[in-house]
Amino acid sequence: DAGVTQSPTHLIKTRGQQVTLRCSPISGHKSVSWYQQVLGQGPQFIFQYYEKEERGRGNFPDRFSARQFPNYSSELNVNALLLGDSALYLCASSLPHLGAGGSSYEQYFGPGTRLTVT
Amino acid sequence: AQTVTQSQPEMSVQEAETVTLSCTYDTSESDYYLFWYKQPPSRQMILVIRQEAYKQQNATENRFSVNFQKAAKSFSLKISDSQLGDAAMYFCAYIEYGGSQGNLIFGKGTKLSVKP
Repeated sequence: DAGVTQSPTHLIKTRGQQVTLRCSPISGHKSVSWYQQVLGQGPQFIFQYYEKEERGRGNFPDRFSARQFPNYSSELNVNALLLGDSALYLCASSLPHLGAGGSSYEQYFGPGTRLTVT
Repeated sequence: AQTVTQSQPEMSVQEAETVTLSCTYDTSESDYYLFWYKQPPSRQMILVIRQEAYKQQNATENRFSVNFQKAAKSFSLKISDSQLGDAAMYFCAYIEYGGSQGNLIFGKGTKLSVKP
């Protein structure tokens, strides 16, 4: 079975530009989460989407936005790029935990997109 | 707010030996899950092992096992018979059971080197 896929693998952008990152979850997974991993740190949560609705948002500015499509794939958009946005962006998919709030727990990660802002 | 702390930035082990990576966490919740993820230089984050907080029995997956001490909020990973392929960054992660956001909270990671 195919794992989580992300595109592109690498991306170089200039300050002020906009970028779109893409993620396809594991077949059957309906929840997608996005994380930012700065060099030398653990991943930081950006968004979670389940059934095309935003279910969670981390402490990131409004320049970051995301959406989920009917096929459960997802896009992460970042506007007005800053040098500090340079990082590895990870997408994770999961089966939703059918508990209170519909949150999921076991998450499977894609290979990430390396974004460099110059 | 929940936090995860990994106090060992780097660890080293001889091939075929055993190594233990430490993790502590802080939460006021009683129901949660804990994970260890491995991230090799290829960047792919791989799930190694998970532990449900309500289970007293420590999880094991082949050469990987955990020592879960709920009262102490400690969750260490033991790797037995270390192999060269175990060299990677290891991240401890926490997620609240039934939480509204469903987000993993990660520690800063431990870089494991395996010497032949």
